[in-house]
Amino acid sequence: KAGVTQTPRYLIKTRGQQVTLSCSPISGHRSVSWYQQTPGQGLQFLFEYFSETQRNKGNFPGRFSGRQFSNSRSEMNVSTLELGDSALYLCASSLDGRAGEQYFGPGTRLTVT
Amino acid sequence: AQSVTQLDSHVSVSEGTPVLLRCNYSSSYSPSLFWYVQHPNKGLQLLLKYTSAATLVKGINGFEAEFKKSETSFHLTKPSAHMSDAAEYFCVVSDQGGFQKLVFGTGTRLLVSP
Repeated sequence: KAGVTQTPRYLIKTRGQQVTLSCSPISGHRSVSWYQQTPGQGLQFLFEYFSETQRNKGNFPGRFSGRQFSNSRSEMNVSTLELGDSALYLCASSLDGRAGEQYFGPGTRLTVT
Repeated sequence: AQSVTQLDSHVSVSEGTPVLLRCNYSSSYSPSLFWYVQHPNKGLQLLLKYTSAATLVKGINGFEAEFKKSETSFHLTKPSAHMSDAAEYFCVVSDQGGFQKLVFGTGTRLLVSP
């Protein structure tokens, strides 16, 4: 079974631009979560989607948004990029979002200049 | 709110010696706890999980962890370190009664010398 895939793997953007990251979960998984990893703040939860509905959201500004499609694939969007948005963005999938293991993708490394 | 504290930012061991990575948790109810590992430039991999079954949890690659409610601890151990164990390890608690909002510790970097 294929793992979680994220595209693109690396991205360089300029301040003020917007960016869209994509995540394809493991086949059959309906829950997709997004996390931001930075050296200063560590790993922080962004949001979780299940069956195209956002069920849970972390403490990030409204510039960070996401969505999930009927095939469970998910995208996250960051508008008006700031230098501090430079990070590794990790996507994780699980069967139904209950307490259990999440399977992480390799991440998208976003650099904002 | 749930939280975890990883007591060491770095741990150095020699190959073949035991590994101990310490984690304390704070939770208002019975938590689900996990250990994840992250190798350089890789995603996170689940090592093991505790979800209120056996208190001694065995994971992959010879790692295990013991849930101690009285000490609010969930320390990760391995009897004999291997060079390939060098990585960042995260202790994680699941928030909100089991829904998938994972709260991560700050991580412990394990260094293994020959």
